Amino acid sequence: EVQLLESGGGLVQPGGSLRLSCAASGFTFRNYVMNWVRQAPGKGLEWVSGVSGSGGVTYYADSVKGRFIISRDNSKNTLSLQMSSLRADDSAVYYCARDPEGTYEDFDYWGQGTLVTVSS
Amino acid sequence: QSVLTQPPSVSAAPGQEVTISCAGSSSNIGNNYVSWYQQLPGTAPKLLIYENRRRPSGIPDRFSGSKSGTSATLGITGLQTGDEADYYCGTWDRSLSGVVFGGGTKLTVL
Repeated sequence: EVQLLESGGGLVQPGGSLRLSCAASGFTFRNYVMNWVRQAPGKGLEWVSGVSGSGGVTYYADSVKGRFIISRDNSKNTLSLQMSSLRADDSAVYYCARDPEGTYEDFDYWGQGTLVTVSS
Repeated sequence: QSVLTQPPSVSAAPGQEVTISCAGSSSNIGNNYVSWYQQLPGTAPKLLIYENRRRPSGIPDRFSGSKSGTSATLGITGLQTGDEADYYCGTWDRSLSGVVFGGGTKLTVL
């Protein structure tokens, strides 16, 4: 059974940093593109970043480019998102999601999400 | 303002059918497959439709998808109260080099 379990969310002050993790199981992690998608309270879905199976190719939304870094450790089946220079509008539930075909056109499994709150 | 445009809300009675539109452009829907997601209150999104019209295992055939040009449509027949949720379309945008989602459509089953 495919499982994605996010962790690392919490309360952080504006300008601060936070590292999110997503533990994957039930599939061959290194074979899949992985993504982070966020959802601000009461708002819609916003794609944040994606990374290839090898970790060598990454993409970012303009809203986080230069502040967030996506990475993966295929030996530990873990996806990470290092977030810095956090702003109030980064507050959201952050989901990790698997891309089954590596096309960034659909995400077949999602984690339950981890909440990030940026506030003083 | 989302790159993909969806109606904010739709409603219909139990047993009826409803369609949800998703309008984009040649840089996204026009040249890529569209997916649709259902998000029940308080839960993570769930893939409903991929590659414009294909359903993952376990998704009932009451849900259907189509695409024409730069627009896509989700159809739901035989509406049930359990279908009340937010629905999102999504795809890749080659101009942005990123994934784009619609703003979401709240379905109310009256």
